[in-house]
Amino acid sequence: KAGVTQTPRYLIKTRGQQVTLSCSPISGHRSVSWYQQTPGQGLQFLFEYFSETQRNKGNFPGRFSGRQFSNSRSEMNVSTLELGDSALYLCASSLAGEAFTDTQYFGPGTRLTVL
Amino acid sequence: SQQGEEDPQALSIQEGENATMNCSYKTSINNLQWYRQNSGRGLVHLILIRSNEREKHSGRLRVTLDTSKKSSSLLITASRAADTASYFCATSSGSARQLTFGSGTQLTVLP
Repeated sequence: KAGVTQTPRYLIKTRGQQVTLSCSPISGHRSVSWYQQTPGQGLQFLFEYFSETQRNKGNFPGRFSGRQFSNSRSEMNVSTLELGDSALYLCASSLAGEAFTDTQYFGPGTRLTVL
Repeated sequence: SQQGEEDPQALSIQEGENATMNCSYKTSINNLQWYRQNSGRGLVHLILIRSNEREKHSGRLRVTLDTSKKSSSLLITASRAADTASYFCATSSGSARQLTFGSGTQLTVLP
């Protein structure tokens, strides 16, 4: 079974631009979550989608948004990019089964650099 | 924000030795998961331990969980150079699926 895939793997943008990142979950997985990883803040939760609905959101400004399609694929968008948005963005998928055993599997990440 | 801390922040050992990493967290949990990350790449899932379990094994990995102390440890036995990576613990709480990560331990295994 193929793992979580993310595209693109690397991205360079300039301040003020916007960016869209894509994530394809493991086949059969219904939940997709996004995380931001930076050297200063570590790994932080952005949001989670299930059945095309955002179920949970982390403490990030409204410039960060996402969506999920009927095939469970997800995209996240960052508008008006700032230098501080430079990070590794990680997508994770899970079956969204019983909470005690629900395992999240991560993709390889998209490295975003904002100049 | 991160829920807890990992200890030590960095660990350097010789091949064949055992490596132990500790993780502390702050709230009640459903489960605790350990992940490995190589050089800023994606996270590889290693093991999940449920809140009602105290110990779990998977190959060379042994994880313990003490919910009364809100802490967990990951033991890697007979370490190999290929185990060199950052190791993160992550907790899941309540009905949400979000994971709250620790700060990570950088493990270096010297050949």
